[in-house]
Amino acid sequence: DTEVTQTPKHLVMGMTNKKSLKCEQHMGHRAMYWYKQKAKKPPELMFVYSYEKLSINESVPSRFSPECPNSSLLNLHLHALQPEDSALYLCASSQAGTGNTGELFFGEGSRLTVL
Amino acid sequence: RKEVEQDPGPFNVPEGATVAFNCTYSNSASQSFFWYRQDCRKEPKLLMSVYSSGNEDGRFTAQLNRASQYISLLIRDSKLSDSATYLCVVILMDSSYKLIFGSGTRLLVRP
Repeated sequence: DTEVTQTPKHLVMGMTNKKSLKCEQHMGHRAMYWYKQKAKKPPELMFVYSYEKLSINESVPSRFSPECPNSSLLNLHLHALQPEDSALYLCASSQAGTGNTGELFFGEGSRLTVL
Repeated sequence: RKEVEQDPGPFNVPEGATVAFNCTYSNSASQSFFWYRQDCRKEPKLLMSVYSSGNEDGRFTAQLNRASQYISLLIRDSKLSDSATYLCVVILMDSSYKLIFGSGTRLLVRP
């Protein structure tokens, strides 16, 4: 079982809805990530938080809004999404900074469908 | 040119075969290299790190060639359970410590 927990596992939402994806880890990792993965494609980095501060935003549209309330939690707030945003959203964590060994621990993902 | 490139496959091999995947990277500032494995509809998981001297873990051998900017993964005596997508991952050791995923190589091992 993964040590990174994501909820919900599945989400269907309309283009006018507001929803959130949640991610939690208790491994003491201080770097947390959101990736988006479409079918038969590799994960694409969206955001990185390092020590609870946003360190990387890969030019993600503002309809995706990340939040890191504390060192164990990472949220992704969704608003006014488009059907092409349907994908698997993966949360991951790792050691931060010079402690980063390259091993990301991924959650099982939240599969999002936008109607 | 993509930062990390892989042959997408699929590689379709019989059980017991030896199969090799290559991955090339374009940024010479790349410092750390890894192979991840992703099963269908599952999350990626670290398979092994790749060191300059090459490293082996059971049936799996990883090699790094910095001069030519490629890494490789060799799987010996393939098992059915090796069927998965293998993702090459590179870390740029600048201030971002950003992990960059290759597009993945799909392996199908048939009985």
